Amino acid sequence: EVQLVESGGGLVQPGRSLRLSCAASGFNFDDCAMHWVRQVPGKGLEWISGISWNSGSIGYADSVKGRFTISRDNAKNSLYLQMNSLRTEDTALYYCVKDNDYLLDYWGQGTLVTVSS
Amino acid sequence: QLVLTQSPSASASLGASVKLTCTLSSGHSNYAIAWHQQQPGKGPRYLMRLNSDGSHIKGDGIPDRFSGSRSGAERYLTISSLQSEDEADYYCQTWDTGVRVFGGGTKLTVL
Repeated sequence: EVQLVESGGGLVQPGRSLRLSCAASGFNFDDCAMHWVRQVPGKGLEWISGISWNSGSIGYADSVKGRFTISRDNAKNSLYLQMNSLRTEDTALYYCVKDNDYLLDYWGQGTLVTVSS
Repeated sequence: QLVLTQSPSASASLGASVKLTCTLSSGHSNYAIAWHQQQPGKGPRYLMRLNSDGSHIKGDGIPDRFSGSRSGAERYLTISSLQSEDEADYYCQTWDTGVRVFGGGTKLTVL
């Protein structure tokens, strides 16, 4: 069974940093691209970053480019999102999502990030 | 730039069928998409992959009531024999160079 478990969310002040983690199991993690998708409560889904199986290809949405960094550790079956210079508009539920041939097919339960003073 | 367009809302009666639409922007009419369901208070769940030839591959445990089809740049999700638990937000998703793209979502109300 595919499982994606996010952690690391919480309350943080504007301008500070936070690192999200995603523990993956139940599939060959090192064969799959992975992504982070976020959702402001009551709003739609926003793709923010993705990374290829070998970290050779990385992409970011314009809204987080230059502030967020995605990475992965295939030996630990883990995906990460380093979030710097956080803004109030970054407040959202952050989901770790598995890629399958360019489409997303498994979602974690999400971790809530609240940016507020 | 690839854009996916969905109607903000739809409604249908319990036991009836409903067809939700996702429209690919010009020049992208042969792209595959995925459909995702998000029930109230829950995280999204993958429903199916809908290929450009109209074939679809459903996710684990997705009932036969859910099916996909296409016509040109439009991609459809049909839900038959509507149940109360089908009341949810439905998102389509595809990709463009280096990014993944979501439609704005359709909120389905089961009457």
